[in-house]
Amino acid sequence: DAGVIQSPRHEVTEMGQEVTLRCKPISGHNSLFWYRQTMMRGLELLIYFNNNVPIDDSGMPEDRFSAKMPNASFSTLKIQPSEPRDSAVYFCASSHRDLGNTIYFGEGSWLTVV
Amino acid sequence: AQSVTQLDSQVPVFEEAPVELRCNYSSSVSVYLFWYVQYPNQGLQLLLKYLSGSTLVKSINGFEAEFNKSQTSFHLRKPSVHISDTAEYFCAVSEFNQGGKLIFGQGTELSVKP
Repeated sequence: DAGVIQSPRHEVTEMGQEVTLRCKPISGHNSLFWYRQTMMRGLELLIYFNNNVPIDDSGMPEDRFSAKMPNASFSTLKIQPSEPRDSAVYFCASSHRDLGNTIYFGEGSWLTVV
Repeated sequence: AQSVTQLDSQVPVFEEAPVELRCNYSSSVSVYLFWYVQYPNQGLQLLLKYLSGSTLVKSINGFEAEFNKSQTSFHLRKPSVHISDTAEYFCAVSEFNQGGKLIFGQGTELSVKP
């Protein structure tokens, strides 16, 4: 089975540009998570969805960040406008409640804002 | 609110030596516990998990962890490490009925030297 699929894997963009990160969760999973990893702050949960509905977005840093999940097989994380401090690895992950809450991670999107 | 503390940020060991990576958590309710491993420039992979039942859980590559409720700990151990175990290890906790939301510790960098 395919795992969590993220795109792009790597992106370098200029400050002020819009960045859109994409995620396809594992088929059949009903929870989706966006995490951010930096050296300074470690792994932070940004937002998570259950059955396509945002449940907790308290980790979203500020209004420049937004996330959507229009259907069970697709989610986006958008940063507009981007800033150098947004440079990080962004992980998407998914899980199914009936499978012991185990969360499976994608390979990450490595974002550099210059 | 739940939290996870990994007591050691870096653990250097020699090959074939035993190792213990410490993890303590804080939560007011019952939890699931996880260890994830991250190899350089890769995503996170599930190493092992405790959901219920036996408090000692094992991975396929020789790691084990024991859930100690009274000490709120979930330390990871391996009796003899290999060079290939060099990676960052993350302890994580998920509370019951929280939709699988994982809170991570800051990570422990295990460095195995010949």
